[in-house]
Amino acid sequence: SAVISQKPSRDICQRGTSLTIQCQVDSQVTMMFWYRQQPGQSLTLIATANQGSEATYESGFVIDKFPISRPNLTFSTLTVSNMSPEDSSIYLCSVTGTSYGYTFGSGTRLTVV
Amino acid sequence: AQSVTQLDSQVPVFEEAPVELRCNYSSSVSVYLFWYVQYPNQGLQLLLKYLSGSTLVKGINGFEAEFNKSQTSFHLRKPSVHISDTAEYFCAVSEFDDKIIFGKGTRLHILP
Repeated sequence: SAVISQKPSRDICQRGTSLTIQCQVDSQVTMMFWYRQQPGQSLTLIATANQGSEATYESGFVIDKFPISRPNLTFSTLTVSNMSPEDSSIYLCSVTGTSYGYTFGSGTRLTVV
Repeated sequence: AQSVTQLDSQVPVFEEAPVELRCNYSSSVSVYLFWYVQYPNQGLQLLLKYLSGSTLVKGINGFEAEFNKSQTSFHLRKPSVHISDTAEYFCAVSEFDDKIIFGKGTRLHILP
């Protein structure tokens, strides 16, 4: 299975600021995925990050709020912009595929105050 | 588009009793199916997956699940639960190595 390193593991941020979350995979993968898990809830897909093209966002998520970069096949970042307390969640990245093990990163626990 | 329904938000069960967590999915194409577990304040761990082949899938920690195409179900079972199985369990579906869509989760509560 692929190994995903995600950082930071947690952060406390002031409202109105932005946080960039990094996801590093030990294999070259075509697609990476970003999820949000709000407190006490399930995982919701934010977007699919493809190398060499713009990310594809799910309904309810927009690029201005969650810009994503995918500079190469092993790395991606998700930025949470202009944060409010409602953005307090766990953010996770993942890769899928029989070669990669349908693996998730350990998550970034974000608290906005 | 694919979707997942977990029929029970919480399941209480006595220790050493059997348990079944129910999951139904919807998709217009063939799918891959997953069960993930999330222990309190921990990350997501893959319990088991169905990609193809035998419809009975065995996973870690004594869990197993059965894929039933006619009923579009993928229920998770364990013959005897332990206090350490207390966790949130998520059923999920993917259309061939694409994005994974999650159900709302089932909280398994083990009673002493």
